[in-house]
Amino acid sequence: QVTLTESGPALVKPTQTLKLTCTFSGFSLTTPKMCVSWIRQPPGKALEWLARIDWDDDKYYSTSLKSRLTISKDPSKNQVVLTVTNMDPVDTATYYCARIRCGGDPYYFDYWGQGTLVTVSS
Amino acid sequence: QSALTQPASVSGSPGQSITISCTGTGSDIGSYHLVSWYQQHPGKAPKVIVYEVFNRLPGVSTRFSGSKSGYTASLTISGLQAEDEADYYCCSYGGSSTPVIFGGGTKLTVL
Repeated sequence: QVTLTESGPALVKPTQTLKLTCTFSGFSLTTPKMCVSWIRQPPGKALEWLARIDWDDDKYYSTSLKSRLTISKDPSKNQVVLTVTNMDPVDTATYYCARIRCGGDPYYFDYWGQGTLVTVSS
Repeated sequence: QSALTQPASVSGSPGQSITISCTGTGSDIGSYHLVSWYQQHPGKAPKVIVYEVFNRLPGVSTRFSGSKSGYTASLTISGLQAEDEADYYCCSYGGSSTPVIFGGGTKLTVL
């Protein structure tokens, strides 16, 4: 059974760095073509893809946020970590991690975490 | 890269059919068949319902169907039911530099 669970602070101050952890089970990020992405959703707004890390440690970032994002993995702990620097109130959102098989077909997010709401406020 | 373009809202009565469009460019939808659709009910995580343009996930109703023509992908829901009321997002592969692009989302209201 595949599960993903996001964890991190519910409240951060402007200019602070956000660190989110995705802890997963039921698969391994050392398995070829396994990848994990972070996706966020501001309240009442659309999904926005942020970053992806692959089984071979390739990393991909949203063009608009690339300078502020870092994604990493610890396969021994079954965790993927996302850091977002210089947080702003517009970064207030529910942050999801999701699994995707990224070696071609099929290519879709098949499992999602429940999401964690992060509010940016002083 | 910009988000894929979806109508903000669509509506239909029970039993009717609706279609949600998702327009991209030659760099994403126009170049790849890796289009997926997600259904999201309030307060819940998205759930994939269609992948690779027209493939349904096991357990997804046959009332959901996907297609693509040129730069536009579409999701059709036939025989609308109250439980179909949700937000729907399309998603496409956009090449190695932009592996994921979401649409702006469409709110489906069942009248």
